[in-house]
Amino acid sequence: EVQLLESGGGFVQPGGSLRLSCAASGFTFSSYAMTWVRQAPGKGLEWVSGISSSGVSTFYADSLKGRFTISRDNSKNTLFLQMNSLRAEDTAIYYCTSKGGGYWGQGTLVTVSS
Amino acid sequence: DIQMTQSPSSLSASVGDRVTITCRASQGISNYLAWFQQKPGKAPKSLIYAASNLQSGVPSKFSGSGSGTDFTLTISSLQPEDFATYYCQQYDSYPITFGQGTRLEIK
Repeated sequence: EVQLLESGGGFVQPGGSLRLSCAASGFTFSSYAMTWVRQAPGKGLEWVSGISSSGVSTFYADSLKGRFTISRDNSKNTLFLQMNSLRAEDTAIYYCTSKGGGYWGQGTLVTVSS
Repeated sequence: DIQMTQSPSSLSASVGDRVTITCRASQGISNYLAWFQQKPGKAPKSLIYAASNLQSGVPSKFSGSGSGTDFTLTISSLQPEDFATYYCQQYDSYPITFGQGTRLEIK
């Protein structure tokens, strides 16, 4: 059974940092490009970042302006998202997905507030 | 960036109806188009990939078609569990982009 299990979300003050993790199982993680998608409360889906299967190539939404860094550890079947300089508008559920959306995690909630 | 325009934004239908949702890309994306269903409080669920391929376990009442810039998702014989929000997504090129969603409600 395919599983993507996100962790690392929580409550943080503006300007703070969080590191999200996504543990993958049930498929050949190292063969898949992966992405992070977020959903602000009551809003639609927004793509945040993507990474190639090898980890060599990374991609980001323009709106992030260099604050987030995606990475992966294929030896541990884990995807990461380092989020710095967090803002209130980053408040959302963050989902780990395979590129093309075949696999989704259950999401982890990030709340940025003072 | 490729813009995905999804229509309608909301749709009211009855149990047993057949409905169609459309998604238009601002430039050609071949068949790199996916459809998702999302219910309140739940993660999105993949329905269709590569424009017309049904994900494993998804009932055949869902079907997708299109290529290039124009795509459709059709749901036949609506059942109560089908009332949800539906999104399209292009994954032809980065940044990956979503349609704004279609909220399917019971009439």
